[in-house]
Amino acid sequence: DGGITQSPKYLFRKEGQNVTLSCEQNLNHDAMYWYRQDPGQGLRLIYYSQIVNDFQKGDIAEGYSVSREKKESFPLTVTSAQKNPTAFYLCASRPSDRGHEQYFGPGTRLTVT
Amino acid sequence: GENVEQHPSTLSVQEGDSAVIKCTYSDSASNYFPWYKQELGKRPQLIIDIRSNVGEKKDQRIAVTLNKTAKHFSLHITETQPEDSAVYFCAVSDYKLSFGAGTTVTVRA
Repeated sequence: DGGITQSPKYLFRKEGQNVTLSCEQNLNHDAMYWYRQDPGQGLRLIYYSQIVNDFQKGDIAEGYSVSREKKESFPLTVTSAQKNPTAFYLCASRPSDRGHEQYFGPGTRLTVT
Repeated sequence: GENVEQHPSTLSVQEGDSAVIKCTYSDSASNYFPWYKQELGKRPQLIIDIRSNVGEKKDQRIAVTLNKTAKHFSLHITETQPEDSAVYFCAVSDYKLSFGAGTTVTVRA
């Protein structure tokens, strides 16, 4: 699995509820990323973190929040402010060297009704 | 940020034929260019990558070519097989990877 785990695989929530998606890696990677993928679409960057206790907004950060208290963990919270939260969420990590492969987790499919 | 354009968006080929996907980018300082394959409902997986000091790289039926002057790189799949059917993404490295929009490849038996 490339050392990155995401849980759960499927998640169902009612509209108006916040939900937190888990992402853990044991690859000792400095950088971690969250992407959103809608059906038939590409990968859109939500948030990224290049080092512990630091993170930056990506292209579609509105309605999402993250934390990076540990190197291994980068949880994503989908808040009630996110208008269309139903999507496939992918976490990824890579070494701080930009010339290295980025590894993806297996993804969490979130459905909000 | 980096602007990555990928073409075509869909590609249908007969089994045994070749498939070519092209990407262009804007930042001349970019130095790492990976290609990912994503099957339905699965995570993207790296299939080949190239660094800026190399013009071409091959791995069995897959090859990537890079033209840094023109700022474009291409994925070539030869002797396509049904299992090559998937979505392919190019990417360009900055402090984060910038992805193309993807190409859906269908190999007809």
